Amino acid sequence: AQSVTQLDSHVSVSEGTPVLLRCNYSSSYSPSLFWYVQHPNKGLQLLLKYTSAATLVKGINGFEAEFKKSETSFHLTKPSAHMSDAAEYFCVVQLSGTYKYIFGTGTRLKVLA
Amino acid sequence: DAEITQSPRHKITETGRQVTLACHQTWNHNNMFWYRQDLGHGLRLIHYSYGVQDTNKGEVSDGYSVSRSNTEDLPLTLESAASSQTSVYFCASSETGVPTYNEQFFGPGTRLTVL
Repeated sequence: AQSVTQLDSHVSVSEGTPVLLRCNYSSSYSPSLFWYVQHPNKGLQLLLKYTSAATLVKGINGFEAEFKKSETSFHLTKPSAHMSDAAEYFCVVQLSGTYKYIFGTGTRLKVLA
Repeated sequence: DAEITQSPRHKITETGRQVTLACHQTWNHNNMFWYRQDLGHGLRLIHYSYGVQDTNKGEVSDGYSVSRSNTEDLPLTLESAASSQTSVYFCASSETGVPTYNEQFFGPGTRLTVL
């Protein structure tokens, strides 16, 4: 069965320091993986998606994710956190052969001044 | 600009009442989805539709129903609201094509409280 596990429910970083949000996936197939961001009281917005064209995926607002098949991971990073990055982040796998998503439980990112 | 809207944004109702949440998209997408978001669970799929007259159950469909009479709308109905259905509800849509790397577009959400 396909699934994703977000390893941290909460992450706190200081403004200007790197961000690392961890996601492991489980899939027998080459997965379709996504990161979405949800700002307070808002809907979800796509940050980036893995399309198998490249293992390092660049997204919006300076975020990147690296697909590592050997580690079954798709961690989200950003070199320097900004206050506006404070939000909840979801790692998502698309069920193979369908349009349906399986969501991770989310990581709430707090950015300290 | 194309968008996806939900109404109402906030709703308080009583146990046992029927409630309908609206979702309207102008993307002309065939695929539409309803999720609920609860602490510690992420988003879970309630129902989904791949086109007019097509509806399917998701992983948490008990107590909910949907109908799809046109491309733009997928209303979600709670037949008899229960306190366990207090949640934030999100509607999403996506285009039809090769079902890989398929981005979903989300509405702003409806916060439902059942007293």
